[in-house]
Amino acid sequence: DAGVTQSPTHLIKTRGQQVTLRCSPKSGHDTVSWYQQALGQGPQFIFQYYEEEERQRGNFPDRFSGHQFPNYSSELNVNALLLGDSALYLCASSFPGTDTEAFFGQGTRLTVV
Amino acid sequence: QKEVEQDPGPLSVPEGAIVSLNCTYSNSAFQYFMWYRQYSRKGPELLMYTYSSGNKEDGRFTAQVDKSSKYISLFIRDSQPSDSATYLCAMGAGGSYIPTFGRGTSLIVHP
Repeated sequence: DAGVTQSPTHLIKTRGQQVTLRCSPKSGHDTVSWYQQALGQGPQFIFQYYEEEERQRGNFPDRFSGHQFPNYSSELNVNALLLGDSALYLCASSFPGTDTEAFFGQGTRLTVV
Repeated sequence: QKEVEQDPGPLSVPEGAIVSLNCTYSNSAFQYFMWYRQYSRKGPELLMYTYSSGNKEDGRFTAQVDKSSKYISLFIRDSQPSDSATYLCAMGAGGSYIPTFGRGTSLIVHP
């Protein structure tokens, strides 16, 4: 079982650019959540996808958008990057209704310069 | 005031010590509580979760919840250098499956 896999592991982008991060959930999981973790902070919830629909959203601007594919994998897109978007982006997968047992990937470290 | 408060540390202890990690919270609606361990440059790993007040034990780890005081703790017995990591508390309200995380406490166990 490969667990939750994220790509790429590291990324450097310039202000104003757009970025796409990818996540493959743990086998058997159909719910994917995305989090942003700034240095020295806990993960902040961005949004959650289930059955290819955004089910819940945290307090993040519309520059952050996502998608879930029929195979349950997911993408996080961030437009018009700001320096403050530099963070570790985490993907977590779970069965519906069991987010208390969410499994996290290793994250994508995004640096905006 | 943040919903979940957690001292960032670092907390440095000798190998074999009993470690106590704590979080306080302000939202009375929180009904489930979790502890995650996060090694440097890795994603969080779920250690324990509980829905009720009282203690829950798993090996060297004991999670304690006091809902009346809005206070949760994680105890680590016989701490090892491999326990050196950041420990995140997380909690959520019933019906909401999106937990709110603390900022994490950095633990260093030195030989």
